[in-house]
Amino acid sequence: EPEVTQTPSHQVTQMGQEVILRCVPISNHLYFYWYRQILGQKVEFLVSFYNNEISEKSEIFDDQFSVERPDGSNFTLKIRSTKLEDSAMYFCASSERVLEIAYEQYFGPGTRLTVT
Amino acid sequence: GQNIDQPTEMTATEGAIVQINCTYQTSGFNGLFWYQQHAGEAPTFLSYNVLDGLEEKGRFSSFLSRSKGYSYLLLKELQMKDSASYLCAVLDSNYQLIWGAGTKLIIKP
Repeated sequence: EPEVTQTPSHQVTQMGQEVILRCVPISNHLYFYWYRQILGQKVEFLVSFYNNEISEKSEIFDDQFSVERPDGSNFTLKIRSTKLEDSAMYFCASSERVLEIAYEQYFGPGTRLTVT
Repeated sequence: GQNIDQPTEMTATEGAIVQINCTYQTSGFNGLFWYQQHAGEAPTFLSYNVLDGLEEKGRFSSFLSRSKGYSYLLLKELQMKDSASYLCAVLDSNYQLIWGAGTKLIIKP
């Protein structure tokens, strides 16, 4: 069964450093998303991406964040200068069709980012 | 502001039925999702409702009343593996998924 994969599973970085989180969505999916979940808190939408551009982004997704689809398979989230409060689980998701026509999102296993 | 409320924790017995409620106040509504999340794992899709009424899928059913801003997830014939958090999420007018904090369901033998 096809699945979304994410690397690394756990990333530890120092405050102020740049990190790149990687995702490989399901191959025939066209819509990609990043979410984060701070430990013990709710899932929060960061950004959605379609046709090589951002479709929607939340208030959390400020200038420190960027996304890219550098090739036909990878989808990356970059945080330019990490802050302590960026410590969270970051989930990538993909879907075959956009949500308003009711297609489910498949989530990757997540990358746990720890900023020290 | 946008708000999704669901109980923090519920306990039920194996083999029984449990109903997890969700109320929402969001800027626009394009559907409501229920996801299951085991500790330390990613959310997995359970159901989607955009029209009023009940959607049944095996042991799980989901109900929506848009006029009341209310949904519930009904789990029947509970199994120990159903112990997880159940997340209610609403697709708002900007097509962003707004998530509730989740209901931790504890199943006892």
